[in-house]
Amino acid sequence: AQSVSQHNHHVILSEAASLELGCNYSYGGTVNLFWYVQYPGQHLQLLLKYFSGDPLVKGIKGFEAEFIKSKFSFNLRKPSVQWSDTAEYFCAVHAGSGNTGKLIFGQGTTLQVKP
Amino acid sequence: ETGVTQSPTHLIKTRGQQVTLRCSSQSGHNTVSWYQQALGQGPQFIFQYYREEENGRGNFPPRFSGLQFPNYSSELNVNALELDDSALYLCASSFQPGGGYTFGSGTRLTVV
Repeated sequence: AQSVSQHNHHVILSEAASLELGCNYSYGGTVNLFWYVQYPGQHLQLLLKYFSGDPLVKGIKGFEAEFIKSKFSFNLRKPSVQWSDTAEYFCAVHAGSGNTGKLIFGQGTTLQVKP
Repeated sequence: ETGVTQSPTHLIKTRGQQVTLRCSSQSGHNTVSWYQQALGQGPQFIFQYYREEENGRGNFPPRFSGLQFPNYSSELNVNALELDDSALYLCASSFQPGGGYTFGSGTRLTVV
């Protein structure tokens, strides 16, 4: 069965520290990959996405992610976090072909940035 | 551009009742999917509609059903509500299946 695994449930960092959140998926076919963020009291927002091409994708607010096909991974990075990055982060994989398929989410990582 | 809007925002129902949740897709989007998010968990895929036909379903029983209308708005219906159905229900739309999904703010359903 397809699944998405996020390595850390809760991450605490100080401002200006570097961030890397791990994400691995299990699916042998073609995938589209996403990172979503949910700020406190707000709805899910798309941070970045990967469909094809350059495996290093840049998103909003200075985030980037690297798709490593051989490792089935799509880790999220940011060189220097800010207090405003405190949020829940979800990795998601769209598994399927053509017009079928489903979006599968990881369990989420809570990021707390200390000022 | 308009985003994805869901109604109602909050709902309290009694076990055994039926509920209908509604979603208006973002303008130009023909794909809509529904998710259940329990507290502290990631969203769980319920099903997806593309051009009014269901084209993907997660591990949810048949009492979870849906519709997509010609204007691409959508409904999620849940029959015979159980206490475990209490969750945040999210709707998301996309310009195509597998594309970037725009999420609504969700409907918080409480079953008592």
